[in-house]
Amino acid sequence: DTEVTQTPKHLVMGMTNKKSLKCEQHMGHRAMYWYKQKAKKPPELMFVYSYEKLSINESVPSRFSPECPNSSLLNLHLHALQPEDSALYLCASSQSGGRSSGNTIYFGEGSWLTVV
Amino acid sequence: RKEVEQDPGPFNVPEGATVAFNCTYSNSASQSFFWYRQDCRKEPKLLMSVYSSGNEDGRFTAQLNRASQYISLLIRDSKLSDSATYLCVVNPTRVSWGKLQFGAGTQVVVTP
Repeated sequence: DTEVTQTPKHLVMGMTNKKSLKCEQHMGHRAMYWYKQKAKKPPELMFVYSYEKLSINESVPSRFSPECPNSSLLNLHLHALQPEDSALYLCASSQSGGRSSGNTIYFGEGSWLTVV
Repeated sequence: RKEVEQDPGPFNVPEGATVAFNCTYSNSASQSFFWYRQDCRKEPKLLMSVYSSGNEDGRFTAQLNRASQYISLLIRDSKLSDSATYLCVVNPTRVSWGKLQFGAGTQVVVTP
């Protein structure tokens, strides 16, 4: 069973709604990630937090807003999304927040988002 | 050229047979390599890391060929439960830490 927990598992939201995805890990990992995955495609990196600071933003539209309240939690705030944003949103974590190789990442079960 | 390339398959494999497939990567400075499996509508799960000397975990064997820039995965005595998409994941360099490169996945279908 994954040690990265995501809620909710499923979310349906309208284009004017504001919602949040939540992620939690208790492995003491110092790096946390948000990925987006569309059907039959590999995960696409959105954001990386390292030691609770945003270290990578892959030019994600501002309607997605990440937040890292502490080393165990990662949120993704959603506002004014488009139907094409419907996808599986995966949270992941890895041990090191530094520039080390061999850093294995572990994924949560994901949140299925449908924008209507 | 894509940074990480995989044969999408599907590889249709009779139960009990052996299947092997490769993944090529473009950056010769790539640091580390992994195989993940992803079941339909589930998250990717780490299958194994791939070490320079090659490594084995039960029925699964992974190899790294740095000279030719590919990694391979071999599954022996295939089980029905091995049916999944296998993602090749490359950690490119220390400079681009955090930006793992994913292959598009190889689909394996094990048939009775």
